[in-house]
Amino acid sequence: GAVVSQHPSRVICKSGTSVKIECRSLDFQATTMFWYRQFPKQSLMLMATSNEGSKATYEQGVEKDKFLINHASLTLSTLTVTSAHPEDSSFYICSARALWRESAEAFFGQGTRLTVV
Amino acid sequence: GQQVMQIPQYQHVQEGEDFTTYCNSSTTLSNIQWYKQRPGGHPVFLIQLVKSGEVKKQKRLTFQFGEAKKNSSLHITATQTTDVGTYFCAGVQTGNQFYFGTGTSLTVIP
Repeated sequence: GAVVSQHPSRVICKSGTSVKIECRSLDFQATTMFWYRQFPKQSLMLMATSNEGSKATYEQGVEKDKFLINHASLTLSTLTVTSAHPEDSSFYICSARALWRESAEAFFGQGTRLTVV
Repeated sequence: GQQVMQIPQYQHVQEGEDFTTYCNSSTTLSNIQWYKQRPGGHPVFLIQLVKSGEVKKQKRLTFQFGEAKKNSSLHITATQTTDVGTYFCAGVQTGNQFYFGTGTSLTVIP
């Protein structure tokens, strides 16, 4: 099956620094990847849609200058949380849809637990 | 933002009891998918429903898609402790994007 790898799984950073999270599709090409944020015991909130070779599409209320998304290749998308603050602490998770499958289901990375201190 | 609502938000059941979660979209969906997320894990795909009124079964799980393609339900018969987790529906509209429902967290008491 399709595999999506996300790195790092956990990161602790100081307030004001930037953190980069990588999302790779290991055995398929993903022209589109999705970035979600999940608070404890809550649903996944779509932050942005990452499109290979073009600008990401951000959801309403998501600051594009704070959450930088780069989709430089068909297998890699990155999310950079810039000038992180404690309120950015959350679980970030990426996914890619298997568009070649009839169900086109989403495969998720393992997620990144970000803690800003 | 969120366009897909789920109820209930939390559900505690005794092992062996049935469980149902309901998913409602404000817009007509092209299809709907269901995912399960175990505590500490990432969502895993369960099933997709495409046709109006479609019903699919996976062992003790029964999935339904409403006639208007705006709502769906997941029913688990005779819950087991392995059913613990959060169940999400994901509404797929035209195009590539889809939005997750608010989720229902299921706790099964042995």
